[in-house]
Amino acid sequence: DAGVIQSPRHEVTEMGQEVTLRCKPISGHNSLFWYRQTMMRGLELLIYFNNNVPIDDSGMPEDRFSAKMPNASFSTLKIQPSEPRDSAVYFCASTTSGTFYEQYFGPGTRLTVT
Amino acid sequence: DAKTTQPNSMESNEEEPVHLPCNHSTISGTDYIHWYRQLPSQGPEYVIHGLTSNVNNRMASLAIAEDRKSSTLILHRATLRDAAVYYCILRTSSHSSASKIIFGSGTRLSIRP
Repeated sequence: DAGVIQSPRHEVTEMGQEVTLRCKPISGHNSLFWYRQTMMRGLELLIYFNNNVPIDDSGMPEDRFSAKMPNASFSTLKIQPSEPRDSAVYFCASTTSGTFYEQYFGPGTRLTVT
Repeated sequence: DAKTTQPNSMESNEEEPVHLPCNHSTISGTDYIHWYRQLPSQGPEYVIHGLTSNVNNRMASLAIAEDRKSSTLILHRATLRDAAVYYCILRTSSHSSASKIIFGSGTRLSIRP
């Protein structure tokens, strides 16, 4: 099992540029989560999907952030335009829905916006 | 979401047991207690979960108080690789869909050789 795959692993971009982070969940998992981690705010849930449908996006900071899940094996998190305060590690996690589950996290994408 | 309270940091010696406490006085009857840990430069990983009874798995044990207002994660024999931030999280069960989990600040565990 390849686990949750995220790309790129590192991204450095200039303020104002568009950034797209990608995630491939574990095959068979039908729930996908995007998190952001910073020293100041810790791990924050941004959005999660069940069966490709966004369920809760209350953690998305503002309109500059958008997430899509066009199919069960792929999701993107886009920031447009990016700002220095968006610098963080972004994690994707997947799981199966039900009464009990464990979330499997990807290795993360470290984003630096200069 | 119900809140958990954990010490900011703990230290332990290698090869000794470690007891990581968690208070969750506002827990509801449908909340599961989950523990995750995050090793340096990695994403969080699941450790263990429980509802009412104590639980054991290959990684750790979870002891849940009778009133469920607190729990303790037990690492029976700590190794240097157990140095991580440990998160205690409450999650409401859902039969129809996965529900979100909210990470707190966790306990940073250091292991002395």
